[in-house]
Amino acid sequence: GAVVSQHPSWVICKSGTSVKIECRSLDFQATTMFWYRQFPKQSLMLMATSNEGSKATYEQGVEKDKFLINHASLTLSTLTVTSAHPEDSSFYICSARSGRGYEQYFGPGTRLTVT
Amino acid sequence: GQSLEQPSEVTAVEGAIVQINCTYQTSGFYGLSWYQQHDGGAPTFLSYNALDGLEETGRFSSFLSRSDSYGYLLLQELQMKDSASYFCAVKEDDKIIFGKGTRLHILP
Repeated sequence: GAVVSQHPSWVICKSGTSVKIECRSLDFQATTMFWYRQFPKQSLMLMATSNEGSKATYEQGVEKDKFLINHASLTLSTLTVTSAHPEDSSFYICSARSGRGYEQYFGPGTRLTVT
Repeated sequence: GQSLEQPSEVTAVEGAIVQINCTYQTSGFYGLSWYQQHDGGAPTFLSYNALDGLEETGRFSSFLSRSDSYGYLLLQELQMKDSASYFCAVKEDDKIIFGKGTRLHILP
């Protein structure tokens, strides 16, 4: 089956620093990747949608200058949290889709803690 | 805009049957899907209904009524490992929107 990996699985950083999270599709080409954020005991909130080679589309309320998304290849998307604050601490999950199919394949998530 | 409503928590006994309901309101609708998420893990896909009716996959079944904007996930022969959060989700345009999730507690 389709496998999506994320790196790192968890990260602790100091307030004010930037953190980059990678999302890779290991055995298929992901034309579209999605980034979600999930706070404890809450739902997954879609942050942005990215298509390979084009700019990401951000959901309302998500700061595009704070959450930089790059989808430079068909197997890799990155999310960079810039100038991180403690309120950015969350579980970040990516998912990938091939073509126009319905099913999204989720990565294992990255737990970010900002101190 | 879109909204999905599902119960926040459900409790059932091991071996029993439980139904988790979901009602939705979306501007465009392509189908209803269900995901399972264990604590600390990522969501895993369970089922997808694009047309009215019941879809069965092993112990799990999912139902959709497009005219009622309603669906449910049915879990049979509950096992302790089924303790998790279950999310209904709708596909709207190019993205999937998740409900708030139902936490399923299973008692021995």
